[in-house]
Amino acid sequence: GAVVSQHPSWVICKSGTSVKIECRSLDFQATTMFWYRQFPKQSLMLMATSNEGSKATYEQGVEKDKFLINHASLTLSTLTVTSAHPEDSSFYICSARDHGKTYEQYFGPGTRLTVT
Amino acid sequence: GEDVEQSLFLSVREGDSSVINCTYTDSSSTYLYWYKQEPGAGLQLLTYIFSNMDMKQDQRLTVLLNKKDKHLSLRIADTQTGDSAIYFCAETPDTGRRALTFGSGTRLQVQP
Repeated sequence: GAVVSQHPSWVICKSGTSVKIECRSLDFQATTMFWYRQFPKQSLMLMATSNEGSKATYEQGVEKDKFLINHASLTLSTLTVTSAHPEDSSFYICSARDHGKTYEQYFGPGTRLTVT
Repeated sequence: GEDVEQSLFLSVREGDSSVINCTYTDSSSTYLYWYKQEPGAGLQLLTYIFSNMDMKQDQRLTVLLNKKDKHLSLRIADTQTGDSAIYFCAETPDTGRRALTFGSGTRLQVQP
């Protein structure tokens, strides 16, 4: 099946620093990738839609200047959490929609971010 | 907007069948998905169904869709301890960017 990787799998950073999370589709092309956030024992909340070659679409309440998204190629999207604060600590999960099978969406393993 | 609801917890004995239920509100043509999440891991796509279908079976998994009631269920036959996880129902419209709307997840506990 289609594989989506995320890097790093976990990261601890100090308040005020920035963290970049990568999402890659390994064996398919993804014109659209999605970034979700998951709090403990809760469901996934969509943060933004990442479109290859164009600006990301952010959900209401998500600060685009704080969560920078870049989708520079058909297999890579990055999420940068800028000036991180403890309340940004969460599990961030990306998903990628297979360009050839637009109804199939595959998820990465997630990145656990802890801000101290 | 769209809303997806699930019961929070289900406990079954190993070897029994599990049925996880989900309701949704989107009235347009839509894809409906079941994902499995194990602790600390991402989501694994189990199966999906389009809203013009009534049923889909894939090995131990059977998905039933009642479009009139907007009710989706996932039946796992011969449930194993390895099936213990959180199961998310999700839906997306057939048009547009197709972002998923997730239910709250159902924690399935399989007792040996």
